[in-house]
Amino acid sequence: QKEVEQDPGPLSVPEGAIVSLNCTYSNSAFQYFMWYRQYSRKGPELLMYTYSSGNKEDGRFTAQVDKSSKYISLFIRDSQPSDSATYLCAMSAGNQFYFGTGTSLTVIP
Amino acid sequence: IAGITQAPTSQILAAGRRMTLRCTQDMRHNAMYWYRQDLGLGLRLIHYSNTAGTTGKGEVPDGYSVSRANTDDFPLTLASAVPSQTSVYFCASSDYPSGRSSYEQYFGPGTRLTVT
Repeated sequence: QKEVEQDPGPLSVPEGAIVSLNCTYSNSAFQYFMWYRQYSRKGPELLMYTYSSGNKEDGRFTAQVDKSSKYISLFIRDSQPSDSATYLCAMSAGNQFYFGTGTSLTVIP
Repeated sequence: IAGITQAPTSQILAAGRRMTLRCTQDMRHNAMYWYRQDLGLGLRLIHYSNTAGTTGKGEVPDGYSVSRANTDDFPLTLASAVPSQTSVYFCASSDYPSGRSSYEQYFGPGTRLTVT
């Protein structure tokens, strides 16, 4: 079983829709949970990170962590064509990071 | 230089040849990492370094070696390339273990390597 599972999609939504991206994990030692955005042929860039359980909001983006269910989510409100990218979840316990395979998102104008 | 640079941008390499991928950061971060990204497998850690002079093995270290002679540079060497090493390679750095952004990794633009 992989440490982190993420549905690869692809996911296609109309502009303005609410997008929900999810990951599950198996290692209960994970404490930091991150979401990265990766545009085509570019390196990943950090969107948000959360420590332990709870919610974190940053503009149109909300990250949720449920450690009891080993489940994390990223919500994108009022999605824009510029949000079209691959979204990677990542988790860490210490200095090693484990990434999901990424979900490809397309926002259609 | 701003952030992380990687060289070359892309490379086609014959099997059996030796190749070094270069990575340089100018943020004075303690930790640096090498990942490979493959379709359906995501990002997998090859090697990492918590500080200059130390290195560690990640999830997929076989066939790769690294060195960390100073804070800024973290080259990745393929001693004898094989086709299964065809991938996109990303270098990253973080301010681990100190700093507010300890858990933020900054990634370079990647090197696309094809081994034939």
